[in-house]
Amino acid sequence: KQEVTQIPAALSVPEGENLVLNCSFTDSAIYNLQWFRQDPGKGLTSLLLIQSSQREQTSGRLNASLDKSSGRSTLYIAASQPGDSATYLCAVRGNSGNTPLVFGKGTRLSVIA
Amino acid sequence: ETGVTQTPRHLVMGMTNKKSLKCEQHLGHNAMYWYKQSAKKPLELMFVYNFKEQTENNSVPSRFSPECPNSSHLFLHLHTLQPEDSALYLCASSQDLLQPQHFGDGTRLSIL
Repeated sequence: KQEVTQIPAALSVPEGENLVLNCSFTDSAIYNLQWFRQDPGKGLTSLLLIQSSQREQTSGRLNASLDKSSGRSTLYIAASQPGDSATYLCAVRGNSGNTPLVFGKGTRLSVIA
Repeated sequence: ETGVTQTPRHLVMGMTNKKSLKCEQHLGHNAMYWYKQSAKKPLELMFVYNFKEQTENNSVPSRFSPECPNSSHLFLHLHTLQPEDSALYLCASSQDLLQPQHFGDGTRLSIL
């Protein structure tokens, strides 16, 4: 059974810092991996999706990497801003047919001005 | 504006009440999902519908009853809930079962 772990559970950084969020998964047979952002009281917003054949994806100040063989992904946020404060969720989809997304518990990020 | 709209945003109900949560999407998607998000736990998939047919019931208690009358609407009927059912219930949709999911803002449910 796939399990997704995100470390740290919470992170507080000063504005302007570069930071890395970590995601690990137990079964490397994945179809893709997705990073989401969730603001308090809101739903999830998709940030980046990496297919199993890809190594990384970039969008603006965000860069997500995938090392499928070791079961790890990182989300790199450059020059953090207070508006980046949110919970970041990692989710993986298995490659056996229509398998559902399996989510981690998330990392709660606070960027202090 | 996410394209997926959930109503109500907040709901407080007693354990003997019957209520329904509604989800609506106008993205032309064919798959719709219900998730439960509890404090300190990962998102839990509850139900999946694809082309109005239920394809997944993730061992959800029968006090939760989904309904999908068409590809744009999804309901979650609630009956005789327990305090541990208090959570944020999120709806999502996707073009098909392998495409990225778009989420609504959820219904915050509190059971008294």
